[in-house]
Amino acid sequence: QSALTQPASVSGSPGQSITISCTGTSSDIGGFNYVSWYQQHPGKAPKLMIYDVSKRPSGVSNRFSGSKSGNSASLTISGLQSEDEADYYCSSYTISTTWVFGGGTKLTVL
Amino acid sequence: EVQLVESGGGLVQPGGSLRLSCAASGFTFSNNNVNWVRQAPGKGLEWVAYINTIGTAIYYADSVRGRFTISRDNAENSLYLQMNSVRAEDTAVYYCARVSSSSGWSFDYWGQGTLVTVSS
Repeated sequence: QSALTQPASVSGSPGQSITISCTGTSSDIGGFNYVSWYQQHPGKAPKLMIYDVSKRPSGVSNRFSGSKSGNSASLTISGLQSEDEADYYCSSYTISTTWVFGGGTKLTVL
Repeated sequence: EVQLVESGGGLVQPGGSLRLSCAASGFTFSNNNVNWVRQAPGKGLEWVAYINTIGTAIYYADSVRGRFTISRDNAENSLYLQMNSVRAEDTAVYYCARVSSSSGWSFDYWGQGTLVTVSS
């Protein structure tokens, strides 16, 4: 199972919006509405930010939103804040009853 | 408060074995499916293995199938990963991750991880 494809890095200024893309195949993203997004700060465990494509867990800011189209998914962060600077990973359930992650995207808040 | 605490990591020689544990608390462990996810130094996340609530459904990543065994003891609120025939590429921080109660397809709580280093 190949990893999902994410840009290595994105950046934005405080208050701006950014979008991180995640591209897979019809065997993962395209076949299921089971895309999730995780935030990871250096030296910390990942934190669930979005599940089932666009749902937010309790306690996650509504500045974070997710969407999907075909074999690709996206995470949008609006009103960027300094604390949003972290690595972000997409993940999808797959047709092989496994999970696959993206390579990760480093978000820099300028 | 939901807590997952991994232990058992350390230095192991190539070809050797190691058993990781994950102690769960703050929720009814037997009600949740759980996974192991790893992260090599400076690299991204890699899903390793899954086990359902009663251990009847178990899945592995191709990279570890036949070498690693996931198991659980609901009476002890614990998850395990038996790692055999380890390789240098198994060097990573290993996280246990609970499958979300809201969605069966995402991981809502993670432990802090335990580092496994495979080296001679």
